Amino acid sequence: EAGVAQSPRYKIIEKRQSVAFWCNPISGHATLYWYQQILGQGPKLLIQFQNNGVVDDSQLPKDRFSAERLKGVDSTLKIQPAKLEDSAVYLCASTDRMGSKSSYEQYFGPGTRLTVT
Amino acid sequence: SQQGEEDPQALSIQEGENATMNCSYKTSINNLQWYRQNSGRGLVHLILIRSNEREKHSGRLRVTLDTSKKSSSLLITASRAADTASYFCATDRVGANNLFFGTGTRLTVIP
Repeated sequence: EAGVAQSPRYKIIEKRQSVAFWCNPISGHATLYWYQQILGQGPKLLIQFQNNGVVDDSQLPKDRFSAERLKGVDSTLKIQPAKLEDSAVYLCASTDRMGSKSSYEQYFGPGTRLTVT
Repeated sequence: SQQGEEDPQALSIQEGENATMNCSYKTSINNLQWYRQNSGRGLVHLILIRSNEREKHSGRLRVTLDTSKKSSSLLITASRAADTASYFCATDRVGANNLFFGTGTRLTVIP
């Protein structure tokens, strides 16, 4: 089966500019996650969707970050305006588990490396 | 905040040797998972161990879990150069519905 697709793979922008990332999860996966991974650290969850509803966005800096999954499939993550500290890899992941009290294995895309100058 | 802490932060071994990485966490968990990340790539799931399990094997991987000490270890036997990557533990915390990743161990296997 095809894996999680993300685009673009790399993006360089200046601070205060806007940027958007796109993710296409594995077909049939109801749950989608966006993570931020700063160099040298582990991924940190930004937002979790189940179908087109938000399950957890407690770690999303809502003053500048937004995300949507309108039809319960593809998702976009936007940063507006970007700051220097937003430089990181943005990872999308999906899983076919839903309605469960436990998390199971997540399938990750290759990520988008964002550099803010 | 991140849930797990791996140690060592970095590990360098010769091909054929065994590599052991440790993970400590702070709260009660449903399960603990290990992931591998090759440079510039996404994470790949390696193995999941439930809170009521103590040991699990998958090929050259052996994972142990000690819930009383809130710690886990990942052993890679007979390492290969292709095992060079960063390894992360991730905890599925009781009451949460997502994973919390540790800081990772950078493993280098020298051919």
